[in-house]
Amino acid sequence: GAVVSQHPSWVICKSGTSVKIECRSLDFQATTMFWYRQFPKQSLMLMATSNEGSKATYEQGVEKDKFLINHASLTLSTLTVTSAHPEDSSFYICSAFSLLGILSSVSYNEQFFGPGTRLTVL
Amino acid sequence: DAKTTQPPSMDCAEGRAANLPCNHSTISGNEYVYWYRQIHSQGPQYIIHGLKNNETNEMASLIITEDRKSSTLILPHATLRDTAVYYCIVRVNNAGNMLTFGGGTRLMVKP
Repeated sequence: GAVVSQHPSWVICKSGTSVKIECRSLDFQATTMFWYRQFPKQSLMLMATSNEGSKATYEQGVEKDKFLINHASLTLSTLTVTSAHPEDSSFYICSAFSLLGILSSVSYNEQFFGPGTRLTVL
Repeated sequence: DAKTTQPPSMDCAEGRAANLPCNHSTISGNEYVYWYRQIHSQGPQYIIHGLKNNETNEMASLIITEDRKSSTLILPHATLRDTAVYYCIVRVNNAGNMLTFGGGTRLMVKP
């Protein structure tokens, strides 16, 4: 049943560079994807909600020009951290939800999470 | 969504039942209780959810009090692989809505 993948699983980059993280729903079409951020020993914090074909909705305090989200297809959403700085180092997690169909083994009222991407900015 | 309160940490002996409590005294009539867990450095995993009746699946049981102000997640025979942070979340039953994660309970299953 429903699998969500993220790529890369970890990335190390230099300060000032941009990093793209991909979130894919492998066996269902995700009409909505959520992006979360988790700092060490803290809980997940929602960054933005991404609906396929429309602009993402960002949570208060999240800079939309710094964290670019694209949800161009029903199976792929990307998060680009632009001009990354050490304070952006975190664990980034996506989740996916589908309005389009109910998998035989899965309730449509669940969100499915990716395995996360650990970003380290030097 | 209603706020939840969970103990920050709990220990459980391997093979014994782990009972994780959650208070949600401000829950409204159309809100469900969801449980997720997060094993270290992984994404959260859905466990179970319910409205007012007790629920059971292959992973766990969920006991919701009659007044719905609290619930307990039961892992009947905890294993070392159940060591994780367990999150109790109250939400309208629409997965299209975001999940608001609180602090959760860090369950340590010990041999």
